[in-house]
Formats: sequence, C-alpha cells, structure tokens
Amino acid sequence: DGGITQSPKYLFRKEGQNVTLSCEQNLNHDAMYWYRQDPGQGLRLIYYSQIVNDFQKGDIAEGYSVSREKKESFPLTVTSAQKNPTAFYLCASSHNVGVGETQYFGPGTRLLVL
Amino acid sequence: GENVEQHPSTLSVQEGDSAVIKCTYSDSASNYFPWYKQELGKGPQLIIDIRSNVGEKKDQRIAVTLNKTAKHFSLHITETQPEDSAVYFCAAKTPENRLAFGKGNQVVVIP
Repeated sequence: DGGITQSPKYLFRKEGQNVTLSCEQNLNHDAMYWYRQDPGQGLRLIYYSQIVNDFQKGDIAEGYSVSREKKESFPLTVTSAQKNPTAFYLCASSHNVGVGETQYFGPGTRLLVL
Repeated sequence: GENVEQHPSTLSVQEGDSAVIKCTYSDSASNYFPWYKQELGKGPQLIIDIRSNVGEKKDQRIAVTLNKTAKHFSLHITETQPEDSAVYFCAAKTPENRLAFGKGNQVVVIP
C-alpha cells in the first residue's frame, strides 16, 4: 500500500516538553511538507524539504524543528518554545517542488496540551 | 505573498442539487490551483486540480473553472450526495512553488 503515514494519531504534551511527530512516505517523493491547521483556518506551512538533508522554513517555523535524514521520513519536533501548540498537524509529500506538482496529505496528528 | 479567499464559508444544499464554491487569489503569477476535500478528523484529499493554461476541467460530477483575468476559480459539484458533505479547500501555487490555502468551505448536503 503506497501512501503517507503519520503517528501518533493523538499526542499530548506537558508544559515545557518537546514532542516529535512522525511522518513516513513510501511514494518515492523528493519533497515533504509540514502544515498546521487550526479550527476554521486554512493550512499554514511550517517547514518543507525538497531533498534529503535540506529543509526550509515556511510561514510559521518559530517553535518547531525538523530533520530529513532519509528520503522517506520527515519528523517534526514541537519544542517548548512553541507557546500555542494545540492544533492538527498535517504532513504532505510531492514528487518534487516544481510547478503543478500535486501534494498528497497524510491522515494528521492532533496535538493537545495537558 | 499570495492571498487566497473562499466564499461562502458554509454552504447547505439539498441532495441532488449543485454546489458551487468560489476562490479568489491575489498573485496573477500563480499557475496551479488544486481543490482538496477534508472529512472530519482526516487529512485533505485532492479531488481535482487545474493549471493556468486551461480554463475548465471535469471529472465525473466535479468540475473546476478558472478565470485568470478576474483571478478566481470555482469548484462545481453536480448531483450532490450526502457523502459530498465535507470541508473543501482551494489553494494556489505561487511562483515560489508554495501552496497558499483558503480557509475552507463547509458543504452540507441535506438528504
């Protein structure tokens, strides 16, 4: 089965804690993305990566960090510096970052603060 | 940067009727416009897309039209069914190859 998987489905964070969200794809896509979705809002880009060992900040990168050590994996860490982390986090991938390249989304991780 | 707006924010239609959602964008250089459907608690799924060199595209009950002069594009769903109830997002791909999303439109199909 080809696709994008995200884990866990729900994640709880305590005050001052860093948490890591997993995203894996077996579509052989070069580009991967992380978006944040808040109720009644569109998707906002956190980070994206065009190729292994390279990534760029999106519109709301503060308080987040990423790594891209393998083509299949693009984990997102929500650090304690992110003061309002409660949101639905979506990972996506595309063949590359070219014009017209469709982005395919994973099922999402809902992060809640205890 | 690119600004994408969707109207209306909520749309209720009777089963079997048509639904139309309109999006406007600000950057005339944007050249790719996908539409996504998101069901509750799930990730968005691409349902149709259109490139700037095409005015209309159809796929069964779904169609998208693009007016580059007016900088708007619309999603048309015909013969709506209860399973069409969802949030629909439009997006525009900027010259920097990033997707700018609208805030979403809640479509409710009344049986």
